This record gives sequence, C-alpha cells and structure tokens, in this order.
Amino acid sequence: RKEVEQDPGPFNVPEGATVAFNCTYSNSASQSFFWYRQDCRKEPKLLMSVYSSGNEDGRFTAQLNRASQYISLLIRDSKLSDSATYLCVVNRSGRGSTLGRLYFGRGTQLTVWP
Amino acid sequence: DAGVIQSPRHEVTEMGQEVTLRCKPISGHDYLFWYRQTMMRGLELLIYFNNNVPIDDSGMPEDRFSAKMPNASFSTLKIQPSEPRDSAVYFCASRSWDRVGGELFFGEGSRLTVL
Repeated sequence: RKEVEQDPGPFNVPEGATVAFNCTYSNSASQSFFWYRQDCRKEPKLLMSVYSSGNEDGRFTAQLNRASQYISLLIRDSKLSDSATYLCVVNRSGRGSTLGRLYFGRGTQLTVWP
Repeated sequence: DAGVIQSPRHEVTEMGQEVTLRCKPISGHDYLFWYRQTMMRGLELLIYFNNNVPIDDSGMPEDRFSAKMPNASFSTLKIQPSEPRDSAVYFCASRSWDRVGGELFFGEGSRLTVL
C-alpha cells in the first residue's frame, strides 16, 4: 500500500466554485502534513502546512483527521490562477535525529475555467 | 536569497552516455534530496543526505545511479550508462532542521531525455 494516496482527478471547475481534495496516508507514525502546489512544468512549492486543529489561509482550508489518517484541502471561490496540481505530503520521523523523508502523493490536477 | 540551483536545466543524450546532474542547495540547509518525476510514477525520492552523509538511498533504481555530496554546497547525481527509461525531470531539494514545518525547497529541475 502506498504511503500517500490521492484522487488524481482531474477536477475541472468554473471560476468561483468550491472544490475539495482528499488524501489518505498509511502510516500512523506520520507527524507532519503539508499541501504543495505544482504548476505545469515547474517545481513543487509549499502551499500550506496542515495542523491538527485545521487551518485556513485566505481561500484555502486544510483539515487533518489523525484517527482516520485523512487530510483534506478546500479551495473556495476558485480563481483561474488556482489551476495546478496539488500534492499531499506526509513526513515521518526517521531514526535518531533525522527529520526523516517526505512522502508525496501523486497529486490531484485542478483546472479552473472561466 | 538564492534558491536551490540545478544544472543543466535540459539535457538530451543518447543511450549509453554518462549523465551528471548538479545541485547547489540553499546555504545553511543541512538536508538535500534528489527526486525524479515522471507522468507514470509521479515524484519519487531517489536519495537524501543529512550533513553531506547519505541517509536513505533505497529509492535509487539500480547501480547505474550514484549520488555524491562532497561538501555542504554541492551534490551530483550521476547516471552511467543512461537508458531511455531514465528520461524524467530530476529535482534537487533542500531543507533545514531548524525550519518549523520542514518546508522543502525545490530547484527548477533538470529535464533529461535519453534517446
């Protein structure tokens, strides 16, 4: 079973729509959670971290459910510029003092049309 | 501040040739990662270093791949001999132990095409 599973989409929504992406992770020892955004032919960049209590950044809301090992990202009032691939990312602690590796989902593709 | 710098940005080579990809991490970052991205497999971790020491190379596909980090400001990923199935975008990324949240900063990638 993969460490991180995401619905690959694609999601095609009109401007102004609300869209939600889901992600599940397999290892209960996972400690940190993130959403990264990757534009076409560009490198991934951090969109936001995901905290246990849920967190919001403008039109973006991230939720974490540790019991279900489930992460979500909600985008409200979609803009054309939100078109990208959204990657769910999970961090487990390594042995000793290492931060450990990050596990990336395959990504969910979003296209926002006018 | 300069980000993660990779070179070359694009490489086209013939099967059997040696390929060397280079990376300069962000100054002060003590973790460096090499990833490979393809449409079929997504983003795959190949190897990562902590303080120039390889920590996990379980993602390196086979002996044709090798990576080194001779100092804190430079790393290489070498493929010898290259094969068409190695065609992908190779990303280098770095992060800092002290950074809350552990944000990973990626370079712009090296797009490799093996004919």
